[in-house]
Amino acid sequence: DADVTQTPRNRITKTGKRIMLECSQTKGHDRMYWYRQDPGLGLQLIYYSFDVKDINKGEISDGYSVSRQAQAKFSLSLESAIPNQTALYFCATSSGVYNEQFFGPGTRLTVL
Amino acid sequence: SQKIEQNSEALNIQEGKTATLTCNYTNYSPAYLQWYRQDPGRGPVFLLLIRENEKEKRKERLKVTFDTTLKQSLFHITASQPADSATYLCALGVTGNQFYFGTGTSLTVIP
Repeated sequence: DADVTQTPRNRITKTGKRIMLECSQTKGHDRMYWYRQDPGLGLQLIYYSFDVKDINKGEISDGYSVSRQAQAKFSLSLESAIPNQTALYFCATSSGVYNEQFFGPGTRLTVL
Repeated sequence: SQKIEQNSEALNIQEGKTATLTCNYTNYSPAYLQWYRQDPGRGPVFLLLIRENEKEKRKERLKVTFDTTLKQSLFHITASQPADSATYLCALGVTGNQFYFGTGTSLTVIP
């Protein structure tokens, strides 16, 4: 079974809709992250959480919100989706001093 | 501004040769640097970590160097194989658990 899972894997939605992307992990890690990836721009950090009561904004948090429901679950919401949020979204976990990151399979989101 | 730059052009090399990928950064003081491999449509996978006080690390056919004076890391794949074709990302870890990825370099190994 995968250690980091994301649902849905693909989603097509319309401008203005609310979308939630979910991430679950069985690695027992405290730290969880949400990234987006656009062609040629690499991975950009949206939000990160170091434990259930800790939420931090990343480089590009505008237009997004998160919820850390439990150590194993970290959700990303787009309250009102817009076309430039079309991207590949990755959840990741890490632990330890050197933050080796373990990524989920990604969610491909298209906003029309 | 803070930047992490990797080879801007895709890299094509012949099978059996050594591939060398670069990661240059400005305005960071990383405590460590990591390299990841990413295949199309999949999440990155961790390959190697090198700490700021280390000059070189090796793992099988992979070698990473880290020069904090030049603000550069080099990633080498020796005896390259078509299966090594992927995008390779560097990532800097700085104090406070901040973590930043480069834009990645696409490598194609030609049989």
